[in-house]
Amino acid sequence: DVKVTQSSRYLVKRTGEKVFLECVQDMDHENMFWYRQDPGLGLRLIYFSYDVKMKEKGDIPEGYSVSREKKERFSLILESASTNQTSMYLCASSQDSSTDTQYFGPGTRLTVL
Amino acid sequence: GESVGLHLPTLSVQEGDNSIINCAYSNSASDYFIWYKQESGKGPQFIIDIRSNMDKRQGQRVTVLLNKTVKHLSLQIAATQPGDSAVYFCAEIPSGTYKYIFGTGTRLKVLA
Repeated sequence: DVKVTQSSRYLVKRTGEKVFLECVQDMDHENMFWYRQDPGLGLRLIYFSYDVKMKEKGDIPEGYSVSREKKERFSLILESASTNQTSMYLCASSQDSSTDTQYFGPGTRLTVL
Repeated sequence: GESVGLHLPTLSVQEGDNSIINCAYSNSASDYFIWYKQESGKGPQFIIDIRSNMDKRQGQRVTVLLNKTVKHLSLQIAATQPGDSAVYFCAEIPSGTYKYIFGTGTRLKVLA
């Protein structure tokens, strides 16, 4: 079974703090993704990576950056957290082609005060 | 922009009955579709997928139907159980892209 894990289930941070969200997958997948999920808006893609050190912006990259130094690990960074970044953050991974299924982690619920 | 929509935001079904959850998609270039189930506080879980060269695919108690003529996708759950209570959403994947287009979800409530 594919396993995608995220470092924290719940996180509370203050405005202006730097926040790191970590994601690890154990299936040697090429692609990894970061989404945020908000009520009524569904899942929105922040960034994705198709290889180590490679990344592409998704639909809402502003205020976020990512890092992929190892194939199995994909980090989402909030350089200076703001209250409008309070959300559920979901990581996903997929094999290598665009038609390979994305498998999701359990999510991190981030609250920025 | 293009989007995936769901006709019913909340669906209540008696335990043991069949459930049908619908999804309309707008991108005729989409050639891969997935249904996910998301329980409260958890990440989305893959249920079943279908490619555009098929119109029906069956899994264990679940069936996905694809009607490309009217750009409609449905998920049928047979003999709905309390454990099926969750939010279900569909995703469409346009050909040649990694970018999934997700619907906002339908909440399925199973009544005892």
